[in-house]
Amino acid sequence: DIQMTQSPSSLSASVGDRVTITCQASQDINIYLNWYQQKPGKAPNLLIYRASNLETGVPSRFSGSGSGTDFTFTINRLQPEDIATYYCQQYDNLVTFGGGTKVEIK
Amino acid sequence: QVQLVESGGGVVQPGRSLRLSCAASGFTFSNYGMHWVRQAPGKALEWVAGISYDTDNKYSADSVEGRFTISRDNSKNTLYLQMNSLRAEDTAVYYCARPRHPYSSDDPFDSWGQGTLVTVSS
Repeated sequence: DIQMTQSPSSLSASVGDRVTITCQASQDINIYLNWYQQKPGKAPNLLIYRASNLETGVPSRFSGSGSGTDFTFTINRLQPEDIATYYCQQYDNLVTFGGGTKVEIK
Repeated sequence: QVQLVESGGGVVQPGRSLRLSCAASGFTFSNYGMHWVRQAPGKALEWVAGISYDTDNKYSADSVEGRFTISRDNSKNTLYLQMNSLRAEDTAVYYCARPRHPYSSDDPFDSWGQGTLVTVSS
């Protein structure tokens, strides 16, 4: 099974900051990596697919990069509405989610 | 628009069974692979099982292998999850999710239901 190690598990940043989350796969997953945002009590929402592609309707301050085993998710200019937990997900071999990163406002 | 509505959750004793349903509308259900994803209270998302659009292929996580069975009835636009031998650690909100593209089970999940809570407790 492919394991996904996401870090940090939580972070606190100020409005307007750049926020970076990393996700490492236990084996090469090419670019089969997605990022989701989940707000409390809600279902996850797809933000980035295939490592770096912005889902339609998602603000451009969200971005993703990486391939192989190492991936990065970035929020440029953090906004109050970005408070949520973010998950990476691999789909190269079945499906595995990362442990999540809770983003809070400082 | 795409709508996925889960039902069937509730409180069940350890060792008992429960069947979840996910009613789909707003798209051609029979053309899409489907998945179940769960989330224990305060924990991360966990993929549970997936099924191809034509039911030929089924996949499940090691944690539920041999206890949970995914199935679908394309004539009823409904996805199911039969859960047997339930354990306390199966307590979670269960979501059904649809991949972005038809005829693919391996794709980002762009549509999710609102979830149904399963509590396993004596």
